[in-house]
Amino acid sequence: AQKVTQAQTEISVVEKEDVTLDCVYETRDTTYYLFWYKQPPSGELVFLIRRNSFDEQNEISGRYSWNFQKSTSSFNFTITASQVVDSAVYFCALRGQGGSEKLVFGKGTKLTVNP
Amino acid sequence: NAGVTQTPKFRILKIGQSMTLQCTQDMNHNYMYWYRQDPGMGLKLIYYSVGAGITDKGEVPNGYNVSRSTTEDFPLRLELAAPSQTSVYFCASSYNPGQSLGRNQPQHFGDGTRLSIL
Repeated sequence: AQKVTQAQTEISVVEKEDVTLDCVYETRDTTYYLFWYKQPPSGELVFLIRRNSFDEQNEISGRYSWNFQKSTSSFNFTITASQVVDSAVYFCALRGQGGSEKLVFGKGTKLTVNP
Repeated sequence: NAGVTQTPKFRILKIGQSMTLQCTQDMNHNYMYWYRQDPGMGLKLIYYSVGAGITDKGEVPNGYNVSRSTTEDFPLRLELAAPSQTSVYFCASSYNPGQSLGRNQPQHFGDGTRLSIL
């Protein structure tokens, strides 16, 4: 069975602080795909990044960076110099190699950035 | 491009009523999905479709039906609304060029339909 755990239910930081959102996954597939989505207060889901299991390179996009470590089954997301506009619920998701096209979502981490 | 469009945005139903949630996409995506999001939870897959005329059950299909007569449209039907179906419903689509190549493609989501059953 596939599972995504986001242990941090809610995080509150002050603007300009760095914050890391944790994501731990479980899968028996040798090839799998990981995603992060952002859900701002307006409710829509915005795709942020995808990562293939065979590509362990970390990625940086502006203030966002992602650390993928197969050894610990983790795909953590860091926001540097957080801003109020980063306030949202962030979801980590996993798609396996075979079977249905199901995206398995974690329960999400609600990030609040205070001015 | 409008992307994925869902209607209505909000709806209140009485127990036992039926309704159809509409979803249409203009990106020529072959895969489409319906998810529900309950408070404090992630999304759970209800049904999905890999192309016109083909649908399959997801994790929580009971109480719902779908059809896929065109590439663009993927409506979700609630036949006998129950309070347990109060949720936010998201439609999504993705382009999968082939079985092995497609699974890293991101799903693009609509803005959601907030449904309350009273």
